[in-house]
Order: sequence, then structure tokens, then C-alpha cells
Amino acid sequence: GEDVEQSLFLSVREGDSSVINCTYTDSSSTYLYWYKQEPGAGLQLLTYIFSNMDMKQDQRLTVLLNKKDKHLSLRIADTQTGDSAIYFCAENGMDSNYQLIWGAGTKLIIKP
Amino acid sequence: DAMVIQNPRYQVTQFGKPVTLSCSQTLNHNVMYWYQQKSSQAPKLLFHYYDKDFNNEADTPDNFQSRRPNTSFCFLDIRSPGLGDAAMYLCATSRVRGVEKLFFGSGTQLSVL
Repeated sequence: GEDVEQSLFLSVREGDSSVINCTYTDSSSTYLYWYKQEPGAGLQLLTYIFSNMDMKQDQRLTVLLNKKDKHLSLRIADTQTGDSAIYFCAENGMDSNYQLIWGAGTKLIIKP
Repeated sequence: DAMVIQNPRYQVTQFGKPVTLSCSQTLNHNVMYWYQQKSSQAPKLLFHYYDKDFNNEADTPDNFQSRRPNTSFCFLDIRSPGLGDAAMYLCATSRVRGVEKLFFGSGTQLSVL
């Protein structure tokens, strides 16, 4: 069945770039999303990319999509302490009847 | 301005005692979702309403029910909570079903004693 995979943890120094990676299996994915969840809070849509694009930039955020390899990444430039959160990758496509399929989330840890 | 509002923020109930969680939205979205999220896990979809049309996920236990009396409100009823039902419950909305981004509430953290 459809699956989305992410590493569970990423540790970076404040000021460095963070790159969070995600792989997925549904080749019919239409949109791919990055959601951010701060401790004890709901999920906030951070950014998303349409499947016919390979890059999207939004201020400090860059999303790269390699559709051939079914690989999605989120780059956060100049990582700040406020970026500490869990980042979820999600996709929807025909295989899941267009319901969101979620990764397990990557916890971003910022070192001073 | 909060657009998807969940109450209460924290809910404590006793084992087997029915509990209701509520969600309201000011976005006038057609679709409302209930997710269960346990610690360090991805959200798990329980069910969703597309307008008044109720859609249950195949593996959602019968213990979980939902009501949507109007566009703005949706309720999650847990008839006989067990210890394994302790989790964060997230309500979300989208304008239409399918390729649409979700707007989430802040969640209700449910504890079962």
C-alpha cells in the first residue's frame, strides 16, 4: 500500500541549514505537503508543492521534489530556535483515494 | 484569529465514562476531519464529513462516533474510553475533499484515568 517515510530526528546548529527528507510510494500524488507541529499544538501547513513542479521557494523554506525517485525535501535556511518542532511530510493521490498519507514526522532539534 | 477551534484544550475522563470533544470552524469549509494522534506518531484519520455525508475509516473502532449538526460544528463522541484512547485529538477542515490543504485546530489532549 501507499507509504511515506521520514527519519525520526534531525539535529542542526542554530544558523545552519536544515534539510528534512521524505520518500513516498504513490506515483499518482498530486500535492505533497510539509506540516509543522510545535509541542502540544495542532499541525500547521508550512508549505506544499504541486507534483508538476520540482522546486518551490518561500522565504527561508525551499521544497525540492524529485518525482522520478519519489523524494521530497524541505530545506530551512538559517535555522532558528523557533524552528524546533516536528515536521510531517504528507501526500495525497489516487492510491489513497486522495486522503492524506502521513510520514511519522521528523523532530528537528536545534543546538546553540 | 482562530479558524478551527477545539474545546476543551485538555480533557480528563474516567475509564468507561463517555466523553465528547467539540470542534467549530469559521471557514465555512465543506469537509471536517477527526484525527487521533498518539505521542511521536503521525495523525491517524478516524473519519470525516463531506457536508452531511459521514465517512468512517475501516479501522476506526465502533467506540468512536461523530456528529455534525451543521456546517460549523463537529463532535467526537467516545462511548466507553479505554486507556488506549488517551491521545491528542485533532480536528481539521478543508474546502473540498481530495487535493486540498487542511486547516487544523490546536487539538484536545485526552487523558483516561
